[in-house]
Amino acid sequence: SAVISQKPSRDICQRGTSLTIQCQVDSQVTMMFWYRQQPGQSLTLIATANQGSEATYESGFVIDKFPISRPNLTFSTLTVSNMSPEDSSIYLCSARGLAENTGELFFGEGSRLTVL
Amino acid sequence: GESVGLHLPTLSVQEGDNSIINCAYSNSASDYFIWYKQESGKGPQFIIDIRSNMDKRQGQRVTVLLNKTVKHLSLQIAATQPGDSAVYFCAEKENYGQNFVFGPGTRLSVLP
Repeated sequence: SAVISQKPSRDICQRGTSLTIQCQVDSQVTMMFWYRQQPGQSLTLIATANQGSEATYESGFVIDKFPISRPNLTFSTLTVSNMSPEDSSIYLCSARGLAENTGELFFGEGSRLTVL
Repeated sequence: GESVGLHLPTLSVQEGDNSIINCAYSNSASDYFIWYKQESGKGPQFIIDIRSNMDKRQGQRVTVLLNKTVKHLSLQIAATQPGDSAVYFCAEKENYGQNFVFGPGTRLSVLP
């Protein structure tokens, strides 16, 4: 299994500002992902963080709003840009292990953002 | 597109009873399924998984059943305890697919 650490765990942000969330995995993993979980709802995939290249975004999410970096196999960042109250959510980093097409998905504890 | 859903959004059970949480999926190409437990303020925690070449898998106090004919997945929790109170999500993935699709979740409340 993999242990995933995220920071900040929570933050209160002002409208129009940007916040970067960091994700550190304790072992090398093939795949890293960022999910959004709006209050009382399920998880929605934002993008797959690709090492050394641009992230792969899901429909409805764009790089200008959610720039993602993954400089190595164990670290990734998600920036939520120009925030509005609608961006208030839990943002979850996840990773999958060594076998690219199998294996469970592990999650961090999430970063709870409140935008005023 | 593929979708995963649940029959019951909330479930209340008496402590000590068995719980059954259901999940329907629509993508017949899905071949790997996971149940997650999410407690308040925490990230989803892996409970148990099952591949499409199986129809049943057991863990400690939990059993997952897979019916590919009707595209239905269930999680059974034996002797439900207060610590089982959480939101439970099913997730599915296609063979060689990269992404998991999550169901809407079921909130399990254990009554004393």
